[in-house]
Amino acid sequence: GDSVTQMEGPVTLSEEAFLTINCTYTATGYPSLFWYVQYPGEGLQLLLKATKADDKGSNKGFEATYRKETTSFHLEKGSVQVSDSAVYFCALASNAGGTSYGKLTFGQGTILTVHP
Amino acid sequence: ETGVTQSPTHLIKTRGQQVTLRCSSQSGHNTVSWYQQALGQGPQFIFQYYREEENGRGNFPPRFSGLQFPNYSSELNVNALELDDSALYLCASSLGGQAIHEQFFGPGTRLTVL
Repeated sequence: GDSVTQMEGPVTLSEEAFLTINCTYTATGYPSLFWYVQYPGEGLQLLLKATKADDKGSNKGFEATYRKETTSFHLEKGSVQVSDSAVYFCALASNAGGTSYGKLTFGQGTILTVHP
Repeated sequence: ETGVTQSPTHLIKTRGQQVTLRCSSQSGHNTVSWYQQALGQGPQFIFQYYREEENGRGNFPPRFSGLQFPNYSSELNVNALELDDSALYLCASSLGGQAIHEQFFGPGTRLTVL
């Protein structure tokens, strides 16, 4: 079945540091890939997405490129801020096998803490 | 535009009881999906409703059931509660039930089973 694996956390960085959170996936067909962010006490918010190979999703300085050859969708940001502290989830949605619904399969999440 | 809302915010139940959680979808959205997020884990898909019909189901037992109403709001019902049902329950709405349709999440209902 579909699965998503994220890098082990938590991740602690100083403000303005470079961020990478690794994400790899297993899925049949051609899934859509997402990064969601969850701030303390809030629900999930879509950060960015990519729907086909080599697409780059970007938002608020974050980027991720859909790499089909390595089945990866790593999240990067060049200079993190304290306000980026949150839990980040990589997810996929697949319509393979004739399914007609958009089930999201999530990774386990990576806690990011940014210090001033 | 009103976002996805869920009620109640928190709930405490005892083992064996039944619970109903509610979700109002974002204006114009006809699809609602429910997820269970255990502490420290990613959300797991329970089921999805599209135009009042169950449109897909994850690996959850039949004591997890749901409804979608004509205004596209939804309920999640859990019977015979078990301790492991303690989790954050998230509802997400979308315009359409397929993978390419972006899902918008509510803040969740925190269920504690004692």
